[in-house]
Amino acid sequence: EAQVTQNPRYLITVTGKKLTVTCSQNMNHEYMSWYRQDPGLGLRQIYYSMNVEVTDKGDVPEGYKVSRKEKRNFPLILESPSPNQTSLYFCASSGTREYEQYFGPGTRLTVT
Amino acid sequence: GQQVMQIPQYQHVQEGEDFTTYCNSSTTLSNIQWYKQRPGGHPVFLIQLVKSGEVKKQKRLTFQFGEAKKNSSLHITATQTTDVGTYFCAGKAAGNKLTFGGGTRVLVKP
Repeated sequence: EAQVTQNPRYLITVTGKKLTVTCSQNMNHEYMSWYRQDPGLGLRQIYYSMNVEVTDKGDVPEGYKVSRKEKRNFPLILESPSPNQTSLYFCASSGTREYEQYFGPGTRLTVT
Repeated sequence: GQQVMQIPQYQHVQEGEDFTTYCNSSTTLSNIQWYKQRPGGHPVFLIQLVKSGEVKKQKRLTFQFGEAKKNSSLHITATQTTDVGTYFCAGKAAGNKLTFGGGTRVLVKP
């Protein structure tokens, strides 16, 4: 089954404690992206990757890092989380940036 | 930077009625996509429009891309309870970014 998986689905952490949210897709997609969703603000792109070792900033990259060492994986790293990073995070992938994006189930992160 | 606005933010619809949600971009788009997110779920792709003035239909849903490729609309006829959710448009201008609108949250009154 074609899918995008994210782990963990829920995470409560404290300010400053480094964390990683994993994202994996099994569709051999080149393009992967991370979004955060906040009430009234829709989906805002954090980072995206056009292919292995190719990443670029989206609209809200501050406080986040990503890496793309393998085509199927695109982890999101928060080196020092802060409460304003409390949000719902989605990973997405597509064949190219022109095609439909497949979204993961989401990760709800709370930073206290 | 590119901005994509959606109106209305909320839409309360009586079951059986029609409604339209609108998407406006600050820049000319190369294409626009529409997604639906059910409560508690993740966005799911509905359709992509590429050509100026393009109109596409999916059952009770009609999608339109403006002539200037800066706006789009989604019209739903005979609304059903299964239409509940948030509808997002997402536009791509020059470059690699896909910018999402804030979404229209649809609530259906039976």
